[in-house]
Amino acid sequence: NAGVTQTPKFRVLKTGQSMTLLCAQDMNHEYMYWYRQDPGMGLRLIHYSVGEGTTAKGEVPDGYNVSRLKKQNFLLGLESAAPSQTSVYFCASSLRPSGSSYNEQFFGPGTRLTVL
Amino acid sequence: AQKITQTQPGMFVQEKEAVTLDCTYDTSDPSYGLFWYKQPSSGEMIFLIYQGSYDQQNATEGRYSLNFQKARKSANLVISASQLGDSAMYFCAMREGLDSSYKLIFGSGTRLLVRP
Repeated sequence: NAGVTQTPKFRVLKTGQSMTLLCAQDMNHEYMYWYRQDPGMGLRLIHYSVGEGTTAKGEVPDGYNVSRLKKQNFLLGLESAAPSQTSVYFCASSLRPSGSSYNEQFFGPGTRLTVL
Repeated sequence: AQKITQTQPGMFVQEKEAVTLDCTYDTSDPSYGLFWYKQPSSGEMIFLIYQGSYDQQNATEGRYSLNFQKARKSANLVISASQLGDSAMYFCAMREGLDSSYKLIFGSGTRLLVRP
């Protein structure tokens, strides 16, 4: 049971380049999230998905796109990278919170992205 | 206005002593949950403890306990008998029940250093 995995772990891009970050979970979770973490700040939500084929914007969605074609995968795309997107990106997943079950979010190990 | 406030950027504690990490929150949602996550230097996010807004008793998980004061809107994490391995960043986060995304809103974190 690998939990939540993220690919790649590190990446350096030049301004204007594009890339896709892959998140995969093997826990059959409905909800998946992409956060970014900047120095001195907590994690901020970029996009999220409540199920296969659905996505929605979070707090800081500009410059990113996402897709969830399969329940276990959630992709984050940067079409034209900018230095302001230098950050650590975390993927997380959870069961749908319900009743007394708090269903915490499980996080991947993170992807450190540098945009030059 | 910040929804989660962690006023202690950094703290020191002597090994084997107890330490309290502060967290205050702001919400008008009657149903919410409060989470604490630990982020060691390796970068992963580790779930520690959860407190629901309707929970009558303070949550406890091993050496971790949550001092939940609903009227004051505070949810402080208490770590008893600190160990060197407790040195890490600690994040308080809130999930609001009326928000269908069930996203976590994070504070800016507290860096804890345990001295031998």
